[in-house]
Amino acid sequence: EAGVTQFPSHSVIEKGQTVTLRCDPISGHDNLYWYRRVMGKEIKFLLHFVKESKQDESGMPNNRFLAERTGGTYSTLKVQPAELEDSGVYFCASSQDRVGEQYFGPGTRLTVT
Amino acid sequence: AQSVTQLGSHVSVSEGALVLLRCNYSSSVPPYLFWYVQYPNQGLQLLLKYTSAATLVKGINGFEAEFKKSETSFHLTKPSAHMRDAAEYFCAVTPPPGAYNTDKLIFGTGTRLQVFP
Repeated sequence: EAGVTQFPSHSVIEKGQTVTLRCDPISGHDNLYWYRRVMGKEIKFLLHFVKESKQDESGMPNNRFLAERTGGTYSTLKVQPAELEDSGVYFCASSQDRVGEQYFGPGTRLTVT
Repeated sequence: AQSVTQLGSHVSVSEGALVLLRCNYSSSVPPYLFWYVQYPNQGLQLLLKYTSAATLVKGINGFEAEFKKSETSFHLTKPSAHMRDAAEYFCAVTPPPGAYNTDKLIFGTGTRLQVFP
């Protein structure tokens, strides 16, 4: 089966611009998670979807970040407007069951200049 | 609140030597514990997980970890390192089902393993 895919793999944008990251989970996985790793620090949770509903968005840093999961399939994470501190690697993960194994995508490396 | 501490951001071993990567956790409820590995240009891959069954957990690629409640530790070991083990390793914790309304993973800062020939 295909794994979790993320697009783009890299994105370089200027401060103030908008960027949209996309995640395609493993087919049939209702749970989708977004995480972020900034500057070699720990990987931090951003939010969790169950199908199209936001189960937990306690990790979203501020209202410049907007996540959607239309139809319970793929998800997008939009950053608008981007700031320098948003640079990092954004990971997406999916799982079939709650507290099941989370399968991670390769990540999107975002650089804000 | 839960947290994870990984001692040593970098660990270097010789090929064939014992690998020991340390992880200590803090949790008010018995947690589920995980070790993930990230090879260059790849996503995180699950090595092994502890979900309150046997305290000694065996994973892929010859790795194992032991849950020690008294020490709040979940150290990762491998008897003999191989060059292909060079990667970054992450310890993570999550509450068991029903403990909280979340199953987000809380990660440590990662340990980069170097293996020398």
